[in-house]
Amino acid sequence: KQEVTQIPAALSVPEGENLVLNCSFTDSAIYNLQWFRQDPGKGLTSLLLIQSSQREQTSGRLNASLDKSSGRSTLYIAASQPGDSATYLCAVLNRDDKIIFGKGTRLHILP
Amino acid sequence: EAQVTQNPRYLITVTGKKLTVTCSQNMNHEYMSWYRQDPGLGLRQIYYSMNVEVTDKGDVPEGYKVSRKEKRNFPLILESPSPNQTSLYFCASSSGRLMGANVLTFGAGSRLTVL
Repeated sequence: KQEVTQIPAALSVPEGENLVLNCSFTDSAIYNLQWFRQDPGKGLTSLLLIQSSQREQTSGRLNASLDKSSGRSTLYIAASQPGDSATYLCAVLNRDDKIIFGKGTRLHILP
Repeated sequence: EAQVTQNPRYLITVTGKKLTVTCSQNMNHEYMSWYRQDPGLGLRQIYYSMNVEVTDKGDVPEGYKVSRKEKRNFPLILESPSPNQTSLYFCASSSGRLMGANVLTFGAGSRLTVL
């Protein structure tokens, strides 16, 4: 059974620093992996999607990588800003069309 | 505006009183799904639908029903709600079969309390 783990559960960093969020999954037979952002009490907003055949995707200050063979993905945030404070979730789409989420990393950028 | 709309956003009900949470999308998406989000447990998939009249169980389907009679609508039905179904519920949709670059679009969420 697919399990998705995100470490750390919470992270605080000073504004301006670069940071990396981690996501690992146990079954490498996936179609894709997505990173989402969730603000308190709100829905999820998709940040980046990486297909199983891809190694990375970039959008602005965000870069997501995927190493399917080792079951790992990272989300790199450059030059962090207070507005980046949110919970970041990763999710994998399994070959059985089920979507499994990690429990998220709660990020706090200190002004 | 392309969006997924859920109603109601907030609902307090009592044990055993049937309720329906509606979900509608205006993007002509084939794939729709329901999730519940609980502290410490994260987001878990309840049901999903690949297309009209096609539905499948996710990881936590017990106590829930769904139907997909039209492409745009995917209601979540709780026939006899119980307190352990108190949760934050999200509906989401995407185009195609989610293979490749098909991003999930989420609704704003429905907070359900069962007394």
